[in-house]
Amino acid sequence: EDKVVQSPLSLVVHEGDTVTLNCSYEVTNFRSLLWYKQEKKAPTFLFMLTSSGIEKKSGRLSSILDKKELFSILNITATQTGDSAVYLCAAMDSNYQLIWGAGTKLIIKP
Amino acid sequence: NAGVTQTPKFRILKIGQSMTLQCTQDMNHNYMYWYRQDPGMGLKLIYYSVGAGITDKGEVPNGYNVSRSTTEDFPLRLELAAPSQTSVYFCASSHRGSGNTIYFGEGSWLTVV
Repeated sequence: EDKVVQSPLSLVVHEGDTVTLNCSYEVTNFRSLLWYKQEKKAPTFLFMLTSSGIEKKSGRLSSILDKKELFSILNITATQTGDSAVYLCAAMDSNYQLIWGAGTKLIIKP
Repeated sequence: NAGVTQTPKFRILKIGQSMTLQCTQDMNHNYMYWYRQDPGMGLKLIYYSVGAGITDKGEVPNGYNVSRSTTEDFPLRLELAAPSQTSVYFCASSHRGSGNTIYFGEGSWLTVV
């Protein structure tokens, strides 16, 4: 059965810290790995990763995919209170279906 | 700039009642989805559609029905509501392609009492 596992489930850090969120997957016919940020409402798209070893960056956020070891990480540097959210990863299969992880709840303390 | 619009945003149902969650998108996406998200959990796929006239079950379809008569609309029907259906429901759409991403509606908070 396809599955996506995120760790840690929750994380509390202080403003300015750097955090690394993990996402491992076991998906038949894997296509891509996606990261989303969810605050109070709907998830908002962060990154889509298809190729192994190529880092994607957006400001203080970056992500990379390892297709050999079947995982991805999301890094956030110089965290701010506005980064507090649930971060979801999802693996897309060849039929464009998404298998979602349970999310990592990140709390940034001022 | 509407994107994916779902209604209602909040609803309280009594056990055994029925209701329909409406979803419409104006991006001409062929794929549409209904997810539910329970507290502290990830998203679970209820039903999805790859185009008008085509629907398929997802991971948790029991107690729900969908239809896709047009590209734009993908309503979710709850028959005989049960407390286990208390959840947040998200409608989403995507355009199949190598760079596609999925766009979400703002969610519908449903409580069954």
